[in-house]
Amino acid sequence: DAKTTQPPSMDCAEGRAANLPCNHSTISGNEYVYWYRQIHSQGPQYIIHGLKNNETNEMASLIITEDRKSSTLILPHATLRDTAVYYCIVGAGNTPLVFGKGTRLSVIA
Amino acid sequence: DTAVSQTPKYLVTQMGNDKSIKCEQNLGHDTMYWYKQDSKKFLKIMFSYNNKELIINETVPNRFSPKSPDKAHLNLHINSLELGDSAVYFCASSQDSLAGLNEQFFGPGTRLTVL
Repeated sequence: DAKTTQPPSMDCAEGRAANLPCNHSTISGNEYVYWYRQIHSQGPQYIIHGLKNNETNEMASLIITEDRKSSTLILPHATLRDTAVYYCIVGAGNTPLVFGKGTRLSVIA
Repeated sequence: DTAVSQTPKYLVTQMGNDKSIKCEQNLGHDTMYWYKQDSKKFLKIMFSYNNKELIINETVPNRFSPKSPDKAHLNLHINSLELGDSAVYFCASSQDSLAGLNEQFFGPGTRLTVL
């Protein structure tokens, strides 16, 4: 079973920041937080991952709380193409991903 | 160049038939996976192979038999297909990493419909 809890759906206006929360209160010390997304009918796509520090790449930023029990994925300027299901996943490296139900993000024009 | 490719993209077949889905990755990765996404959109791991060796076999019926002829290929053979096997099957690959990076690259999926 997935070790994360996410809201089932969120809306975001195009051009605004999308902030997707995730709870992972049972995360272990050696486990990372990964974010993937699945655009309709496509395979999941890696976005970002982190252990305890905040991370940023060309796609998004990941903010992890100090106690590591929750995190937030930030898409700074959401576009219509960011409409997808976003999965927050906790796990160690090189292991199969355990997907939960994710958050369905709808970016609205 | 496609990183992870699967064939066929669509597969429609009758109950009781045997079918195969092929997967190839050109990324030089050591580990490959098969995931199943059912009609409710839940994605679940089926198998994991590392350097052609089976690492993980989740509770999948033994009608499903993965085969890895080399580390760039992981094919999925399914015997005696059942209605419940209808789903989208995704192949994925990743490179072993000491830094915790578990960036898996997914194929486009194979939509299997059993009639």
